[in-house]
Amino acid sequence: SFELTQPPSVSVSPGQTASITCSGDILGSKYASWYRLKPRQSPVLVIYQDTKRPSGIPERFSGSISGNTATLTISGTQAMDEADYYCQAWDSSTAVVFGGGTKVTVL
Amino acid sequence: EVQLVASGGGLVKPGGYLRLSCAASGFTFSSYAMSWVRQAPGKGLKWVSGISGSGGTTYYADSVKGRFTISRDNSKNTLFLQMNSLRAEDTAVYYCVKVGTIQLGELSFFDYWGQGTLVTVSS
Repeated sequence: SFELTQPPSVSVSPGQTASITCSGDILGSKYASWYRLKPRQSPVLVIYQDTKRPSGIPERFSGSISGNTATLTISGTQAMDEADYYCQAWDSSTAVVFGGGTKVTVL
Repeated sequence: EVQLVASGGGLVKPGGYLRLSCAASGFTFSSYAMSWVRQAPGKGLKWVSGISGSGGTTYYADSVKGRFTISRDNSKNTLFLQMNSLRAEDTAVYYCVKVGTIQLGELSFFDYWGQGTLVTVSS
């Protein structure tokens, strides 16, 4: 079955760049989306269709794809960006798949 | 403004049933697919089920297939999830989610999430 793999955690200093990867077989032929989840809040879409940013999401959030790895990049990371981030894609046999999530800590 | 208000969660015994509802507003409901996504305590996001804008196509995760049924009433802008034969592992916060496309598929993404309703399955 189709799976998406993310690192469990990423640490970043304020003002630096955080990169969160999401890998999966043939992910390069699919579209990846990214969601931010903070404690006691509902998830928020931050990137869709690999690179598109919804209105209201700061420009410091960007997405890219290289081979079978999608990457969410947070430039100039702020304390408010501390959260869990999930990637998601569609597979014809599994339907919707989420990655295991990455906890971003701003030190 | 898009609003998704889920209700119907609660405490139920193993083997029991619950029906979740989600009242949607702020967009043309029938023009978008909808989904349910859950998060068990201390765990990650797991997709549960999805339905096309017309209601004619439905999808289920293997873990709930045959036990859960998703449906929608486009005349009342409401999404449902009928959950039968509930198990302890179904305990989670269930989110009602708007899909950014009319069908679920390669291009789809989840652009608005409701506040979640807690389902607890325990004896």
